[in-house]
Amino acid sequence: EVQLVESGGGLVQPGRSLRLSCAASGFTFDDYAMHWVREAPGKGLEWVSSINWNSNNIDYADSVKGRFTISRDNAKNSLYLQMNSLRPEDTALYYCAKAATHGLLDYWGQGTLVTVSS
Amino acid sequence: DIVMTQSPDSLAVSLGERATINCKSSQSVLYSSINKNYLAWYQQKPGQPPKLLISWASTRESGVPDRFSGSGSGTDFTLTISSLQAEDVAVYYCHQYYSTPQTFGQGTKLEIK
Repeated sequence: EVQLVESGGGLVQPGRSLRLSCAASGFTFDDYAMHWVREAPGKGLEWVSSINWNSNNIDYADSVKGRFTISRDNAKNSLYLQMNSLRPEDTALYYCAKAATHGLLDYWGQGTLVTVSS
Repeated sequence: DIVMTQSPDSLAVSLGERATINCKSSQSVLYSSINKNYLAWYQQKPGQPPKLLISWASTRESGVPDRFSGSGSGTDFTLTISSLQAEDVAVYYCHQYYSTPQTFGQGTKLEIK
């Protein structure tokens, strides 16, 4: 059974940093690309970032480019999102998602909540 | 970026009746060389992550009841629930994975009338 468990969320002041983690199990982690998607309170889904299996292909939404860094450790079956210079508009539930072939997001974690507020 | 627009924003349907949600993309998500539409539908219930229902515009995922069906091609897509059940109350999203950034519709909230 595929399991994705996010952690690392919390309350942080604007301008500060936070690192999210996603622990994966139930599939061969280094065979698949992984994504981060967020959901702001009362809003819809926004794709944030993606990383391919060997970290050679990384993309970011314009809204986080230059502030967020995605990475993965295939030996630890883990995905990360380093978030710097956080803004109130980054407040959201952050999901990690496994990508099947061609980028389809087939499994999602339960999410970790990030609140950016002074 | 490809903009995904769903209609309606909310929908109330009686139990046992048909529910139809539409999704329009600002450009085609059909990869013509393989004749596949890079369009998915998700169901999200309160307090839960999105659950993949339909991929490639019309392929129902394993375990998804056959009352759910997807149709359409190019820029216009539809999710149909043939006979609404109480457990289908949720927000439904369309999603294009044709190009980066991947984008989602704004969501359609489905309720019981």
